[in-house]
Amino acid sequence: AQRVTQPEKLLSVFKGAPVELKCNYSYSGSPELFWYVQYSRQRLQLLLRHISRESIKGFTADLNKGETSFHLKKPFAQEEDSAMYYCALRLGGGSYIPTFGRGTSLIVHP
Amino acid sequence: GAGVSQSPRYKVAKRGQDVALRCDPISGHVSLFWYQQALGQGPEFLTYFQNEAQLDKSGLPSDRFFAERPEGSVSTLKIQRTQQEDSAVYLCASSPTGNGYEQYFGPGTRLTVT
Repeated sequence: AQRVTQPEKLLSVFKGAPVELKCNYSYSGSPELFWYVQYSRQRLQLLLRHISRESIKGFTADLNKGETSFHLKKPFAQEEDSAMYYCALRLGGGSYIPTFGRGTSLIVHP
Repeated sequence: GAGVSQSPRYKVAKRGQDVALRCDPISGHVSLFWYQQALGQGPEFLTYFQNEAQLDKSGLPSDRFFAERPEGSVSTLKIQRTQQEDSAVYLCASSPTGNGYEQYFGPGTRLTVT
């Protein structure tokens, strides 16, 4: 079965520092990868997906099939980036059931 | 417009009681998902509807869990004879597409079984 691993439960950085939230997956096929974010007292929302190859709020993520990773990066963290981040995987070929990682809490200190 | 809403937001149930959790999706959204999120974990898939049809219920943990969406809009997740291990946040998400590619989440219902 597919699995998503977010090795860090908590990541703490200072404002302006680069940030990388790690996500590794186990699946031999071609998955669809997503990052979701949950700000304090707000609902879970989609941040970005690998298929769009987009940058949202300065965040980017590249799918590395060789390393089976989809790390989320931002060159200069802002305090408003503090949130819970979840990596999620869907099997390709029209599968609709996502598998989520356990999440990483990002805290950006002033 | 209004997003996905869920009620109640908080529910405390005594072990053995039945509970019903409601989800109002965004109007016109075809797909509806239910997830269970235990403390410190990510959401785990429970079941999926496309309109009124329940296409997948493979994530329901036991036959005490039952979900319905009779008119293809509002959905109810029912848990019978609640157990302590059912304590979690139950999330509902809806999507405008049949494959649920872009999901919009509700605020969740926090269920505590005592």
